[in-house]
Amino acid sequence: DAGVTQSPTHLIKTRGQQVTLRCSPKSGHDTVSWYQQALGQGPQFIFQYYEEEERQRGNFPDRFSGHQFPNYSSELNVNALLLGDSALYLCASSLVKAGETQYFGPGTRLLVL
Amino acid sequence: AQKVTQAQTEISVVEKEDVTLDCVYETRDTTYYLFWYKQPPSGELVFLIRRNSFDEQNEISGRYSWNFQKSTSSFNFTITASQVVDSAVYFCALSEPRMGGSEKLVFGKGTKLTVNP
Repeated sequence: DAGVTQSPTHLIKTRGQQVTLRCSPKSGHDTVSWYQQALGQGPQFIFQYYEEEERQRGNFPDRFSGHQFPNYSSELNVNALLLGDSALYLCASSLVKAGETQYFGPGTRLLVL
Repeated sequence: AQKVTQAQTEISVVEKEDVTLDCVYETRDTTYYLFWYKQPPSGELVFLIRRNSFDEQNEISGRYSWNFQKSTSSFNFTITASQVVDSAVYFCALSEPRMGGSEKLVFGKGTKLTVNP
């Protein structure tokens, strides 16, 4: 039973560029959430997708956008990258049910120079 | 508003010592869920436990145990006879149910545990 997978594992970009991160949920899961974790901090919720629609959004600017595909996989896009976007980006999958556990992938480490 | 506080930034113990990681939460809801995750240096968050607000029974899983006290809004995590492999950052998280299911997690800042041989 495959867990949550993310690609790429590491990425280096320069300011102003755009980046796309990818996530495949755990088998049987239908909901994908994205989190940003800055160094030394806890993960911060970016947004959540279910049935190909954004259900919830955290306090992140519109430069952060996403998409969910019919096979439940998801992408996170960040435009006009800033130095402060450097972080570990974590994808989590779950079932759309109250209190369900979110299972996390290994993350993508993004460095913006 | 939801908030999770992990006051201990870093803890260092010697192998075989017992260690307790503190977690205090704030929520206005009567129904909520609490979680603990472990983050080893590789970065992946590993799920440890989920507890709903109506179940105050303490739980034990091997060397791990959790103490949930609604009266003090705390959900503490104890590792008995710690081992070097327990070295990691541990996060406490809170979620509040919403219509349609699935909720965001609000995390504390984490406690870095170092177990020395």
